[in-house]
Formats: sequence, C-alpha cells, structure tokens
Amino acid sequence: GQQVMQIPQYQHVQEGEDFTTYCNSSTTLSNIQWYKQRPGGHPVFLIQLVKSGEVKKQKRLTFQFGEAKKNSSLHITATQTTDVGTYFCAATRLNSGYSTLTFGKGTMLLVSP
Amino acid sequence: GAGVSQSPRYKVAKRGQDVALRCDPISGHVSLFWYQQALGQGPEFLTYFQNEAQLDKSGLPSDRFFAERPEGSVSTLKIQRTQQEDSAVYLCASSPTRGGSTNEKLFFGSGTQLSVL
Repeated sequence: GQQVMQIPQYQHVQEGEDFTTYCNSSTTLSNIQWYKQRPGGHPVFLIQLVKSGEVKKQKRLTFQFGEAKKNSSLHITATQTTDVGTYFCAATRLNSGYSTLTFGKGTMLLVSP
Repeated sequence: GAGVSQSPRYKVAKRGQDVALRCDPISGHVSLFWYQQALGQGPEFLTYFQNEAQLDKSGLPSDRFFAERPEGSVSTLKIQRTQQEDSAVYLCASSPTRGGSTNEKLFFGSGTQLSVL
C-alpha cells in the first residue's frame, strides 16, 4: 500500500536553532497533512497541502509540498522548547466513496534550553 | 462534547482476556477511524466507519479484533483473547465529512493505552 517515509527519525537541537523534517513517497500524493504529537499526547492537525509546489506558513513553521507531489517538508525557524514533540506527515489513501490517512513513522524533536 | 472522548484511558489486561475500548466522537461527525500506535511509531490504520457502516477493516491485525458503531455515533473496538503484541495505544479519530478526494482533518481522542501482561 501507499507509504510515506520520514527523515530524520529523531533530532535534538538547541533552542534557537532551525529544524527540518522531510516526508517522501514513491507515488504521487493527492494531498499531505502534518500532525504534531506532544509527549504523552495525541496527534493534533497542523496543516493540509494540496497543490503542487504549495508553501504555507504558520508563524515559525513553513510547510512545503513538492512540485511532483511526492515529497513534503516542515521547517521550524528558531525552535522553542514548546516545539518539542513528534511530527507526522500523513497521506490520503483514496478508496471508493471514502478516503483514509496513512501516517509516516514521525520525526521526534527534542529542544534543549 | 467538545472533543473526541476515549475510555478507559489505561487498560491492563492479562493475556487471554477480552477488552473493549470505547470512542465517543465529536457530535455529528460522519467519519470515525481507529488507529493503533506502538511505542515510537506512527499511528497505523485499523478500521474506518462512515456513519454506522464499516467501510474498511483492512488494517485489523487478526480476527480477534472487532469494531462496531451501531448507531453511527459511539464506537467500540473489541479485542478478544489479548496477546502481548496487542500492547499499544489505540487512538480514535473523527472527521465531519466522509472524506472525498481530499481528506478533512482528523480530530483525535487521547487514546487508550493497553498493556497486556
């Protein structure tokens, strides 16, 4: 089935450094969603990208969807301790009359003060 | 309610015991999903309901897993004869639409952490 691969698996940064996580697929995606899961918490929706080459910003977070719609990235500028958590990308799997989401394994971000 | 509610929050079961996990989605949400999340992994799809109809159960690991949503609102995930490899967090998520070509965002519950001893 459709899979999305995320790299890196884990990253530890100092507060103020930038962070990027990448999501790759071997097949063309109809869209990509990003979720954040805090330690001990549940995934929370961040954003959805639909168009080829789309770039969206949320304060210090920048999301990109590749031109070929096979990859995506999430970049955080000047990380803060509140950014700690695991970031997942999720791809829509189309079926007949409904769709489901397939999640990547996530990138765990640790931020030291 | 304000969000997706799951109960119990924690469940410890002896191997071989049956368990039932409950999910209360956001009122009016058409779509309901169950995911299994092992430690350090991403959520793995188990099953999908559109109202009361179970349209996809392709992710259920074995016939010991059974899910229902009889009235199109509350859902129950039942695991019979639990085994140690069933230990994981079971997440329920709901969405207001049936999900066409572009999925609406999912609203997740806090999950049930199942430990099988």
